[in-house]
Amino acid sequence: AQSVSQHNHHVILSEAASLELGCNYSYGGTVNLFWYVQYPGQHLQLLLKYFSGDPLVKGIKGFEAEFIKSKFSFNLRKPSVQWSDTAEYFCAARPYGQNFVFGPGTRLSVLP
Amino acid sequence: AAGVIQSPRHLIKEKRETATLKCYPIPRHDTVYWYQQGPGQDPQFLISFYEKMQSDKGSIPDRFSAQQFSDYHSELNMSSLELGDSALYFCASSTSGSYNEQFFGPGTRLTVL
Repeated sequence: AQSVSQHNHHVILSEAASLELGCNYSYGGTVNLFWYVQYPGQHLQLLLKYFSGDPLVKGIKGFEAEFIKSKFSFNLRKPSVQWSDTAEYFCAARPYGQNFVFGPGTRLSVLP
Repeated sequence: AAGVIQSPRHLIKEKRETATLKCYPIPRHDTVYWYQQGPGQDPQFLISFYEKMQSDKGSIPDRFSAQQFSDYHSELNMSSLELGDSALYFCASSTSGSYNEQFFGPGTRLTVL
């Protein structure tokens, strides 16, 4: 079945550590890719998205993601995390003409 | 800028009761999506509407129904509520087209006692 998978269920980092959250999708055709963040008690917010062009996408709050077509991956990165980055992160894919499919989410806990 | 509005923000119901959740999309957005996010789970797509017609159907239980009205707002009707229906229900809106980003509302937290 077509799906989106995220490598880690829960990641714990100290402030200033570097972050990389893995995301893989299983769609073979054209697909748009997204990373959403959900802060505790809040709604989903878009961090960044990839439609086409430069595979290295920069988003808000210092996040970036790299689309690697050969690996069906769209990993999220941030060079130095802050305590305020503590949240749930969802990778999502939107195959052409279809609805969003979300990954299971990765909980990030940043220790002060 | 205007965002997606959902009401109510919180709702508490008892088993076997009914509930109606409302979603008001961003102005000029013609497509509305409903998602259910259970505790500790990822959002699951329920149903979507485009121009007042159902455009796609996901894992929406038969006890639930939804519609989109002429002003593009949408309502999710839930009957015979079960404990497992307790979740955060997100609405998202977008303009039509396959590549358009969805804008999410704040969600309605439904608790079924």
